[in-house]
Amino acid sequence: NAGVMQNPRHLVRRRGQEARLRCSPMKGHSHVYWYRQLPEEGLKFMVYLQKENIIDESGMPKERFSAEFPKEGPSILRIQQVVRGDSAAYFCASSPFSGTGRTEAFFGQGTRLTVV
Amino acid sequence: KQEVTQIPAALSVPEGENLVLNCSFTDSAIYNLQWFRQDPGKGLTSLLLIQSSQREQTSGRLNASLDKSSGRSTLYIAASQPGDSATYLCAVPLNAGGTSYGKLTFGQGTILTVHP
Repeated sequence: NAGVMQNPRHLVRRRGQEARLRCSPMKGHSHVYWYRQLPEEGLKFMVYLQKENIIDESGMPKERFSAEFPKEGPSILRIQQVVRGDSAAYFCASSPFSGTGRTEAFFGQGTRLTVV
Repeated sequence: KQEVTQIPAALSVPEGENLVLNCSFTDSAIYNLQWFRQDPGKGLTSLLLIQSSQREQTSGRLNASLDKSSGRSTLYIAASQPGDSATYLCAVPLNAGGTSYGKLTFGQGTILTVHP
């Protein structure tokens, strides 16, 4: 059973370009969470998705950022018109269900975005 | 709002020492608490998950305790080795009363260096 898979591992974009980060959850997991780790800062929650639904996007910047988790395929975090401040490590986590809070989240290796 | 604090921010010890990492949280109504390890430039590896009904969990040389009433957890590492060098993070579900346990609030981490 492969873990949470993120790609690409490293992504370089010029200012103004779009960045697309992909996350395939663990097999059997239908809930996906995206986190951002800015340089010298802790991990911050961005968005929580289930298949075809955004459940909680309270941590997402209001502009330029969007996320989806389609019925088929990986979850996508999309950043439009990237700026240098978007440079960070973006982590995805997955879990099987969000019932009683008694199951842990598993994290991917992250995508390191560098905006030049 | 849940806040998580980790002390110390950094720790450097000689190989073989037993050590304790501390984590405190402001809202004691948590479902669980997770300890992670992050190596430089890498993802997060889950070390231990303690359910709210438990007081401790053990895995090899690691032992984590939880005192919900005082809002504290400790990670004890026995007989430290250079391979233990990493950043250690603790995290609790963001919404203490909610069901989206994969939404985590992270501490800033303790950077551990074990030198030979």
